[in-house]
Amino acid sequence: AQSVTQPDIHITVSEGASLELRCNYSYGATPYLFWYVQSPGQGLQLLLKYFSGDTLVQGIKGFEAEFKRSQSSFNLRKPSVHWSDAAEYFCAVAGSGNTGKLIFGQGTTLQVKP
Amino acid sequence: EPEVTQTPSHQVTQMGQEVILRCVPISNHLYFYWYRQILGQKVEFLVSFYNNEISEKSEIFDDQFSVERPDGSNFTLKIRSTKLEDSAMYFCASMKLEGGFATNEKLFFGSGTQLSVL
Repeated sequence: AQSVTQPDIHITVSEGASLELRCNYSYGATPYLFWYVQSPGQGLQLLLKYFSGDTLVQGIKGFEAEFKRSQSSFNLRKPSVHWSDAAEYFCAVAGSGNTGKLIFGQGTTLQVKP
Repeated sequence: EPEVTQTPSHQVTQMGQEVILRCVPISNHLYFYWYRQILGQKVEFLVSFYNNEISEKSEIFDDQFSVERPDGSNFTLKIRSTKLEDSAMYFCASMKLEGGFATNEKLFFGSGTQLSVL
């Protein structure tokens, strides 16, 4: 069965520092992978997605993620974090059947120190 | 960007009561979904709905749950007799085209309804 693991429940970084949020997935075939962000009181917003092709994908707000099949990982990165990046981040994999069903990780809460 | 709208943002109910959570998907979308997140746990898929019928449901989506698209614009989730463990954030989502992610489609989420069962 498909699953997603986000090992870090909570991360704190200083503003301007680099960020990497980890995501590992379990899926039998080539996965569709996603990163979503949720700010307080708002819905889940898609940051970026990987379907095929280039394993380094660029997203909105300066985020990027790298798909590594050998490590079953899809880590999210940002070179310089802004205070407005404080939010909860979810990694997800599309379930079988290509129907829009997503399987989410537990989420990582990002806190940004001034 | 178009939005999925959910109302209310917060609903409080008594155990055993029926509750209806409402969603207005994006107007030209064809697939509709409900997800939920119990505090401190993962966001979980509940049900998908296409062409006026359920296309897939999870184990969570038992007989206490039902979905409906009553008027061509709204999409509702009904919980017939709420339990304490139904307390969660419920997210509605919609997607435009048949073909899903393989056609590079995107799932749009609403901002959620926080359901508190007392």
